[in-house]
Amino acid sequence: DTGVSQDPRHKITKRGQNVTFRCDPISEHNRLYWYRQTLGQGPEFLTYFQNEAQLEKSRLLSDRFSAERPKGSFSTLEIQRTEQGDSAMYLCASSLVEGTPTDTQYFGPGTRLTVL
Amino acid sequence: GQSLEQPSEVTAVEGAIVQINCTYQTSGFYGLSWYQQHDGGAPTFLSYNALDGLEETGRFSSFLSRSDSYGYLLLQELQMKDSASYFCAVGVDKIIFGKGTRLHILP
Repeated sequence: DTGVSQDPRHKITKRGQNVTFRCDPISEHNRLYWYRQTLGQGPEFLTYFQNEAQLEKSRLLSDRFSAERPKGSFSTLEIQRTEQGDSAMYLCASSLVEGTPTDTQYFGPGTRLTVL
Repeated sequence: GQSLEQPSEVTAVEGAIVQINCTYQTSGFYGLSWYQQHDGGAPTFLSYNALDGLEETGRFSSFLSRSDSYGYLLLQELQMKDSASYFCAVGVDKIIFGKGTRLHILP
């Protein structure tokens, strides 16, 4: 399978704990995006990378959230001191951008986070 | 800011045609995209309109009117597997999604 993969698929944690999610994009894609989706809503943009550089970070992303893409391949999203409001599906997407902007992003299956 | 409006639910009969509308307010408009998401699944890209007019891809078509800040997704010959949520979206890199339209298909 050469699509976007995410790990774990489900995570249940207690309030106050730290969690980390991993995303492996399509191998030749240079851009990687993180979104958050709650029930009945569309995905909300969190942040994105071009290669290893984090180019934009949403104001939705509090200081408890950090994302990295250390070698321009896989990415991790860490949430520190989780709160119940962090419960959501965390989606990763990737795309190949060569010069011009692209509209097409390929999404992974998501990591569903439940904070108790 | 950027916002998109689409109906929350639409119901149609198997074999029929359904249209899902989307209006948007955005700065720096590049085009309108449509994504499909089945329950428990990931969003999947369906179509993109950068210019006014109709784009057709099999049973799905998408239309854009930039002057009206309006677009729609047209699904023909509906099949039960088309039951899903459909999102219109704007932007590149930072994509802004609408809240989605849940399509119910009756046999």
